[in-house]
Order: sequence, then structure tokens, then C-alpha cells
Amino acid sequence: DVKVTQSSRYLVKRTGEKVFLECVQDMDHENMFWYRQDPGLGLRLIYFSYDVKMKEKGDIPEGYSVSREKKERFSLILESASTNQTSMYLCASTPWQGDRFREFFGPGTRLTVL
Amino acid sequence: QKEVEQNSGPLSVPEGAIASLNCTYSDRGSQSFFWYRQYSGKSPELIMSIYSNGDKEDGRFTAQLNKASQYVSLLIRDSQPSDSATYLCAVKGMGNYGQNFVFGPGTRLSVLP
Repeated sequence: DVKVTQSSRYLVKRTGEKVFLECVQDMDHENMFWYRQDPGLGLRLIYFSYDVKMKEKGDIPEGYSVSREKKERFSLILESASTNQTSMYLCASTPWQGDRFREFFGPGTRLTVL
Repeated sequence: QKEVEQNSGPLSVPEGAIASLNCTYSDRGSQSFFWYRQYSGKSPELIMSIYSNGDKEDGRFTAQLNKASQYVSLLIRDSQPSDSATYLCAVKGMGNYGQNFVFGPGTRLSVLP
């Protein structure tokens, strides 16, 4: 069974700190995604990656960067955390093999920036 | 901007009734459609997928797809209080490389005992 894990379930940081959110999947999936989810706004795509060292901006990349040095690991970086980045962050993965594959989600990281 | 729209709710139904959740999408080229259930504080979990026009049934759940109308729906029969959650419609084949999933904002369902 596919497993997507995220480094922390809950995280509290201060404004201006550099924050790393880690995501690891164990099924050799090509595609990996980072979303944030806020009440009333649904899931919004921040960045995605379809291969090692490849990254593409999603709908709301501002204030974020990503790193994918290994196929199984996709990191989201907040260079200088701000209070408006307080949110639930969800990582997901899916194989690149046509249309009929769903996304597998990690458990989520609830980040609070004070 | 490619979009997926859902009524945000809350949709309230009595226990044992049929809950009907609707979703429309803007990209006519979309190929795959998914319904996820999300309990408060948890990540989304897949409950149904559908790729062809018509109905697809799985237990108490039926997904309906009409590509000509760009419309997807989810019916939940014999609704239970445990079905109370937010239901997300997701469409694949939209966005860059056709690999992205675009999610609707979700419909909050409340099943009343």
C-alpha cells in the first residue's frame, strides 16, 4: 500500500524563521505535490514536481520554494515564515502513467507562524 | 483559470436519506474525476473515481459523470452520521502537463441522527 509521510503533524514557528517541511513516498511515484488548505479556500497547489530536480509552480508559489534531490523526497521551504503562511500543508504523490491514477495524500502538517 | 466548483454547503440530510453532492468543471479536456472525503483535521481519502459517462456504483456511493455538461455528482444512499465530512471533487487532466489535480472547494455534509 502506498505510504506518504510528512515530517511533522504540528509545527509552531516564529515570523522570519526558515521552515522546512519534508515529504517522503515509498512507491516510486514520479509526481509529487505540495498543497495548502485553508477554510473556505480549499486545496491550493503551491508547487509540484514530475521528476528529480524538476519543479513547477502551482497557483500560489509566492513565499515558497521546493527541493527534490531524490525521487522519494519532496521538500517545501518557507524562506522567511510569515503569519499568513499559517495553514494546513498537504503533500501528495501519484505515478506518471496516464490519467487513471489518484493522488495519495500524506497526513498533513498544521503549521502555525507566530 | 481552470476551475472546479462545488456548493460549499453545509448540506444537511437526515440519517437514512440520500445525500446528493454536485461538481462542475471548466476544462472540457478533463479525463479523470475523483471524489475525496475529508474529516476535520485529517487528509483527504479517496472514495470514488470515474472516467466514463454514466453511473458507477460502489456500496452506498454512486458517482455520475456527464462530460457534455461538464458535471460530476456523488450520491450517498442511506446516509449515516459517520458520513458527515467535507467532500472534495477533484479533476485530473487540467493544468500543466495534464498531471495536476484541480480540487473544488469542497461541500460540507452533515448527517443528522
